[in-house]
Amino acid sequence: DTEVTQTPKHLVMGMTNKKSLKCEQHMGHRAMYWYKQKAKKPPELMFVYSYEKLSINESVPSRFSPECPNSSLLNLHLHALQPEDSALYLCASSQIFVIPVPNSNQPQHFGDGTRLSIL
Amino acid sequence: AQSVTQLGSHVSVSEGALVLLRCNYSSSVPPYLFWYVQYPNQGLQLLLKYTTGATLVKGINGFEAEFKKSETSFHLTKPSAHMSDAAEYFCAVRRNNAGGTSYGKLTFGQGTILTVHP
Repeated sequence: DTEVTQTPKHLVMGMTNKKSLKCEQHMGHRAMYWYKQKAKKPPELMFVYSYEKLSINESVPSRFSPECPNSSLLNLHLHALQPEDSALYLCASSQIFVIPVPNSNQPQHFGDGTRLSIL
Repeated sequence: AQSVTQLGSHVSVSEGALVLLRCNYSSSVPPYLFWYVQYPNQGLQLLLKYTTGATLVKGINGFEAEFKKSETSFHLTKPSAHMSDAAEYFCAVRRNNAGGTSYGKLTFGQGTILTVHP
């Protein structure tokens, strides 16, 4: 069982709909991430939050709007998406340490993703 | 810029045979390297991570990876393949965020699909 929980597992929406993807972790991690994975491709980073503040935005279109309401939750609000936005959306989390600290190679823990289809 | 290259998009082995999945990296020192596995319709599961000073890293499910700085490689191996190892494997390198903190963008290789034949 994954320690990062994503809901819903599947989502079908029209281009005019507004929906949200949710991600939750209770490992005390203070960095949280959204990745997008197209079929037969590796995941690509979209956003990074650290201490509930947006620290990295990989030039993602504004129709994707992230939100981190507290240290355990991460949302991705969707509006006016395009068919090419259909993909698997993965959430991840990791600890934050100031380097150099032994064992500071902290991995990111991934959820099972939300498979999004845009009609 | 940091990057990883996985040689071979598809690898096919017989059950019980050696598994070798290749990964070469381009990164600043130290490299923050990982191997992840993805089963169909699932997220990514951490197999192992590179630890500074180690040359051989052991992971879950009998996998291990050898770090060779001179060859900038971090190849993944398993002595004896099992049918349940069939999945897609990703090598990844992390670029730490500014300020010397231990989080940041993961850049993945293109992935290697492992097929295991009976």
